[in-house]
Amino acid sequence: DSGVTQTPKHLITATGQRVTLRCSPRSGDLSVYWYQQSLDQGLQFLIQYYNGEERAKGNILERFSAQQFPDLHSELNLSSLELGDSALYFCASSATGSMNTEAFFGQGTRLTVV
Amino acid sequence: QKEVEQDPGPLSVPEGAIVSLNCTYSNSAFQYFMWYRQYSRKGPELLMYTYSSGNKEDGRFTAQVDKSSKYISLFIRDSQPSDSATYLCAMGASGGSYIPTFGRGTSLIVHP
Repeated sequence: DSGVTQTPKHLITATGQRVTLRCSPRSGDLSVYWYQQSLDQGLQFLIQYYNGEERAKGNILERFSAQQFPDLHSELNLSSLELGDSALYFCASSATGSMNTEAFFGQGTRLTVV
Repeated sequence: QKEVEQDPGPLSVPEGAIVSLNCTYSNSAFQYFMWYRQYSRKGPELLMYTYSSGNKEDGRFTAQVDKSSKYISLFIRDSQPSDSATYLCAMGASGGSYIPTFGRGTSLIVHP
């Protein structure tokens, strides 16, 4: 158990809908990272928050947004969903602002858009 | 050319074999080299990281970095069926973004 909790584990929704994925980082970790993993694209970095502030942005679509709350949990909002958004979404956390030496991934949320 | 290249496999070996997993990269700024293990339907788990060049050993696992060739390896000795997983390499630079770039992963199957 990495200590990073993601909910829900599975999500099935229709095209055009909006969903929210939730992540609770390990106790004491200030950084939260969101990744998308699909078979054809591998693990793609979406966005990082550090202590409530956006720190880095990757290949995140405009339809997607995220935030980190004062208690350090984070939410990833996906809207106007398309079939191609079906993927595993992972959250990771680290104590510092860097993933280069330490990072802990959650179990992921499997999103299926039908 | 992708920044990080990794053969997706699958790589199938008998139990007890020495496994060699490899990645190549193109970005000379990479200084941190990481290996993650991901079991099916689970999140990636950091196995080990190396800073700059050289070798690092942890139990049955050895990570090797050759910066001159832009090539990194993970060796698994005495492989076990429980080592069957996807292994992802990841690389990060010292300055600027602290977000590593991941390889696509190599699927390893260790059969009894």
